[in-house]
Parts: sequence; C-alpha cells; structure tokens
Amino acid sequence: DTGVSQNPRHKITKRGQNVTFRCDPISEHNRLYWYRQTLGQGPEFLTYFQNEAQLEKSRLLSDRFSAERPKGSFSTLEIQRTEQGDSAMYLCASSSQQGAAEAFFGQGTRLTVV
Amino acid sequence: DAKTTQPPSMDCAEGRAANLPCNHSTISGNEYVYWYRQIHSQGPQYIIHGLKNNETNEMASLIITEDKKSSTLILPHATLRDTAVYYCIVLRMDSSYKLIFGSGTRLLVRP
Repeated sequence: DTGVSQNPRHKITKRGQNVTFRCDPISEHNRLYWYRQTLGQGPEFLTYFQNEAQLEKSRLLSDRFSAERPKGSFSTLEIQRTEQGDSAMYLCASSSQQGAAEAFFGQGTRLTVV
Repeated sequence: DAKTTQPPSMDCAEGRAANLPCNHSTISGNEYVYWYRQIHSQGPQYIIHGLKNNETNEMASLIITEDKKSSTLILPHATLRDTAVYYCIVLRMDSSYKLIFGSGTRLLVRP
C-alpha cells in the first residue's frame, strides 16, 4: 500500500447532477478526513471519520454533501445537485491513532461544475 | 486551535537555506506545531512537527522558541523541487487532529 488513493482524479459535471468521489486510505489508518480546496486558498476541513463513525462535520458541509465510510475502510463523498460553487479540489487524508500522527493526503479529485 | 501568521511569499537561492517563519502567539502548552507543504497540483505533504523542543528529520529542521510563540522551518539546502506553499499549523493533541490550514507561505527557490 503506497499511499492514499483518490478516484477519479478529475470530474466535469453539469450543474444539478450528482457526483461521488472515492478515497482509499492507507490500510492501517483508522482516521479519515475530507478537505476542499479552491484556487489560491489552503485546504478547508469538511469532515472526519474514526473507523466507520463520522465524528465531525464542518458547517461547510451543506445538506447536499454526504460522506460515508462503510466498514471503516474506503470512504465516499457525494455531492447532490451540484452547483458551480462546488468546483474545487476535494482532498482526502488518513492517519493512524498513534499520538500526534501525521496525515497523509491523496492527490485529490478536481471537480468542475459547468 | 491557535491561529498562525505566515508571510505570504518568500524566495531563496538554490542550495541556500530557506528559513520560513511562523507566529503562533496564542499557542498553549499541549498544542503541537505542524508543517506541511503543497507542491502545485498535489495534495499536502507532511514535513515535520514538534511540541516544544527543536526537531530534525531528513527533510527539515523545526526551531520552536522557548515561549512557543513562534517557530521557524529550515530547509538546509533548498532545491528547485522545494518550490511550494508551506503551511504552519497548530494542533491540539487531544483533538480530532483535523488540520486547519491558513494561506501559507509561497516559497520560490531560484536557480
């Protein structure tokens, strides 16, 4: 296992369509995070899982966004009824529960809503 | 989590040391200082972290002042591949370990 894997790398969708992204974390990591990054800004925290439990959600995560992590392994982030403002890079990260562990990020999924 | 302040941009010559400062004057005793960097079109990459002592690894050194109110990331011999945005983040050790990114410092390494 070489790192955090995200698919797809790029997604272009029409406004109003639903999209789903997948994140495969490093296998022994029980913490998983989703972030969103727009051009010129630092990543913004969206949500956090410890194993299969979603423990925290940002106010940025509107009701059109939903994230799951069944069985505490891979995670999906779904955006319903996409809007042009959803265009961004969506980043996934994972870390272990050992002390102040560093997070490992995937390459991200770049979403463009047209 | 404490807020951090970094210069928006810096540059240095290839082969020289790059010293990136960060102010975190409201940091508390149980909060770590983390540094990440993000090379264009890639996800952030962990560099180093520390609680109160100076730290060194194969990538960089982290110098934390005695009062913990500021720190400096040192890349001892910068290369062109070190051109990136560098983020200084303060993280509470009993939190979810979610990272709160600021705007970072854009480091340009000149040939």
